[in-house]
Amino acid sequence: AQSVTQLDSQVPVFEEAPVELRCNYSSSVSVYLFWYVQYPNQGLQLLLKYLSGSTLVKGINGFEAEFNKSQTSFHLRKPSVHISDTAEYFCAVTGSQGNLIFGKGTKLSVKP
Amino acid sequence: EAQVTQNPRYLITVTGKKLTVTCSQNMNHEYMSWYRQDPGLGLRQIYYSMNVEVTDKGDVPEGYKVSRKEKRNFPLILESPSPNQTSLYFCASQFSGANVLTFGAGSRLTVL
Repeated sequence: AQSVTQLDSQVPVFEEAPVELRCNYSSSVSVYLFWYVQYPNQGLQLLLKYLSGSTLVKGINGFEAEFNKSQTSFHLRKPSVHISDTAEYFCAVTGSQGNLIFGKGTKLSVKP
Repeated sequence: EAQVTQNPRYLITVTGKKLTVTCSQNMNHEYMSWYRQDPGLGLRQIYYSMNVEVTDKGDVPEGYKVSRKEKRNFPLILESPSPNQTSLYFCASQFSGANVLTFGAGSRLTVL
């Protein structure tokens, strides 16, 4: 069965510093991978997705992620964060039924 | 505007009092799904629907019912709510095979 592990539940970082949010998945089949963001008191919105092709995927708000098949990882990165990036980030993988399986989330806290 | 609309956004109720959380989408999506979000557990799928009159259980279906009589609506029914169903609920939809979910804004339910 597919599963997603987000290795850090909370990541505090100072403004303009780089950040990496880690995500590992397990699956015996080809996968599609996603990062969603949830700003305070809002629903989830798609940051970026990997379906096929280039392993480096660029998303909205300057985020990017790299699909690494050998390490079964899909880490999210941003070279310089802003206060407005404070949110909870969810990694997700497609399940065998075509549904999405989410990780437990990583809370990114950007401090001035 | 393309969107998924949930109602109510906030609800406090008592154990055993039946309630329905409505979900409506205006994008003609075939696939719709309900998730619950709990601290430290991420999003867990309750039920999903591949199309009208086709529904299936997700990971945590106990205590919930759904129906899909029309393409645009996918209500979540709690026949006899219990305190362990206190949670933040999200409805989402997408075109079948599209792999990009559109989420509603969430419904925060408290069962006393």
